[in-house]
Amino acid sequence: QSVLTQPPSASGTPGQRVTISCSGSSSNIGSNTVNWYQQLPGTAPKLLIYSNNQRPSGVPDRFSGSKSGTSASLAISGLQSEDEADYYCAAWDDSLNGYYVFGTGTKVTVL
Amino acid sequence: EVQLVESGGGLVQPGRSLRLSCAASGFTFDDYAMHWVRQAPGKGLEWVSGISWNSGSIGYADSVKGRFTISRDNAKNSLYLQMNSLRAEDTALYYCAKDKADYGDAFDIWGQGTMVTVSS
Repeated sequence: QSVLTQPPSASGTPGQRVTISCSGSSSNIGSNTVNWYQQLPGTAPKLLIYSNNQRPSGVPDRFSGSKSGTSASLAISGLQSEDEADYYCAAWDDSLNGYYVFGTGTKVTVL
Repeated sequence: EVQLVESGGGLVQPGRSLRLSCAASGFTFDDYAMHWVRQAPGKGLEWVSGISWNSGSIGYADSVKGRFTISRDNAKNSLYLQMNSLRAEDTALYYCAKDKADYGDAFDIWGQGTMVTVSS
């Protein structure tokens, strides 16, 4: 079973815009919507973006998602210190028996 | 308050079994699919298994297929993971997660996890 590829790290100063990429294949991102999760240090993951670009209630509009073909991206505009966390993309994969595949994760550091 | 609480983790020897439980509250449990996701120490997230509201659709990661069994009891608002033939590589924090729909959507509610350590 495959995984989605993300850069291991990203960083920015407060107020900057940071973008995280997520690369998949035709059987996952190419066929299904992309979700993003935020995991603050020592805590459980939290749903940040679903269906490519939808924010759950309570998620600031500084976070936005997009998808094109077999890739997706998460953008954080107006970076804040509390955004320092691990971010994971994820999508369902339509391969044999179907499964949910997570990205490799990106650690965002606020400088 | 919507809540998922996992239990049943612990230290177990390789080859032995363990059963994890997840107690759900604050939402209509039998309206949604449920999943188990694990995270090895210092590593990323890995989907382990999922089950639809009526147990009609069940899926497993290749890494656990044939060794783990997911189940649910809607009358008790509970999700389970029976783990057999445990290996060192199964050592991880196991999270219970709620699907936004009946299988195939995002995971919108997560528990705090229960730690499983497989070691002799």
